[in-house]
Amino acid sequence: DVKVTQSSRYLVKRTGEKVFLECVQDMDHENMFWYRQDPGLGLRLIYFSYDVKMKEKGDIPEGYSVSREKKERFSLILESASTNQTSMYLCASSSHRGQPQHFGDGTRLSIL
Amino acid sequence: GENVEQHPSTLSVQEGDSAVIKCTYSDSASNYFPWYKQELGKGPQLIIDIRSNVGEKKDQRIAVTLNKTAKHFSLHITETQPEDSAVYFCAASSMNYGGSQGNLIFGKGTKLSVKP
Repeated sequence: DVKVTQSSRYLVKRTGEKVFLECVQDMDHENMFWYRQDPGLGLRLIYFSYDVKMKEKGDIPEGYSVSREKKERFSLILESASTNQTSMYLCASSSHRGQPQHFGDGTRLSIL
Repeated sequence: GENVEQHPSTLSVQEGDSAVIKCTYSDSASNYFPWYKQELGKGPQLIIDIRSNVGEKKDQRIAVTLNKTAKHFSLHITETQPEDSAVYFCAASSMNYGGSQGNLIFGKGTKLSVKP
């Protein structure tokens, strides 16, 4: 089975801090994705990557950046955390475009 | 771009009854429609998917139907059990979504409660 691992289940940070969320997949998937999940809003795509060192903006990229230095690892960076970035963050991977995405269990991030 | 509407937002059924969740999509070029189940404290898990060349697909107690003409697809769960209680998400993959071809667009989710 595909395993997508997010480094933290819960994280508490302060406004203005630089925050790193890490995601690793073990199936040699080409594509990786970062979503945020908020009540009533579903899953919204922040950034995605179709290859190493490649990144593209999703629907809500403002305030975020990403890094993909190795195929198996995709990092989400909050450059200067703000309270409106308090949310559940989900990482996913898929073998190719249009193929099933496999999700990690999420990181619940609180910005105080 | 693609837009996916999901209804209802909440659904409560008695154990043993059937549950139906419906989604509509806007982009006629969409050709892949997965359904995800998210249990409390976990990430979404793929439970069934269908492609546009098929009208119906079944896997034990769950089935998905697709009507390309009307641009809607549905999840059917028969003989519901308490462990079916979760949030369910539909999604559509649009090949005409600019640089994001092949990305999934999600519905907002349905919270299903199965009462024993």
